[in-house]
Amino acid sequence: GDSVTQMEGPVTLSEEAFLTINCTYTATGYPSLFWYVQYPGEGLQLLLKATKADDKGSNKGFEATYRKETTSFHLEKGSVQVSDSAVYFCALSDKSGGYNKLIFGAGTRLAVHP
Amino acid sequence: EPEVTQTPSHQVTQMGQEVILRCVPISNHLYFYWYRQILGQKVEFLVSFYNNEISEKSEIFDDQFSVERPDGSNFTLKIRSTKLEDSAMYFCASSVGQGPNQPQHFGDGTRLSIL
Repeated sequence: GDSVTQMEGPVTLSEEAFLTINCTYTATGYPSLFWYVQYPGEGLQLLLKATKADDKGSNKGFEATYRKETTSFHLEKGSVQVSDSAVYFCALSDKSGGYNKLIFGAGTRLAVHP
Repeated sequence: EPEVTQTPSHQVTQMGQEVILRCVPISNHLYFYWYRQILGQKVEFLVSFYNNEISEKSEIFDDQFSVERPDGSNFTLKIRSTKLEDSAMYFCASSVGQGPNQPQHFGDGTRLSIL
């Protein structure tokens, strides 16, 4: 079945450092891909998405490119801030499932210190 | 910006008791979902709901679980006889439609603790 694999955390960075969080997926069809973020004490917020190969999703300085050849959707940010500290979830939704559900990775905790 | 709201934020219940978790989806959304996250584990799909019917459910969503949209605004998840392993964070989500460009919007979750 469909699945999402994320790099394990926690990821600890200094402010203004470059961020990469790896995400790879397995899907029978051509899924839509998402990054959700969960700030402390809050719910899941959609950060960005991409619906087809080579699409780049971007928001708040974060970017991720849908790479069909490597089945990846890595999250990047050029210069992180303390306020980016959160848990980041990669997820997919597949046409074969009627886009009825999201399948999540395990989440990667990011801690940014001044 | 419209939000999905969930109540209560934290529910503590004795094992074997019934519990109802409540959600108010975004008002123009037609598709509704429940997910759960056991501490330290992945967010898992439980059920999707459209047009007053369950569209899909996971193997987790057994006969102890039920969902309802009782009044056109609330969307509830009921666990009939809670077990210790039901302790988790439960997230409600909603979407306008279903398709590659229809993201789901989540509430802040209800933390359910079974004693």
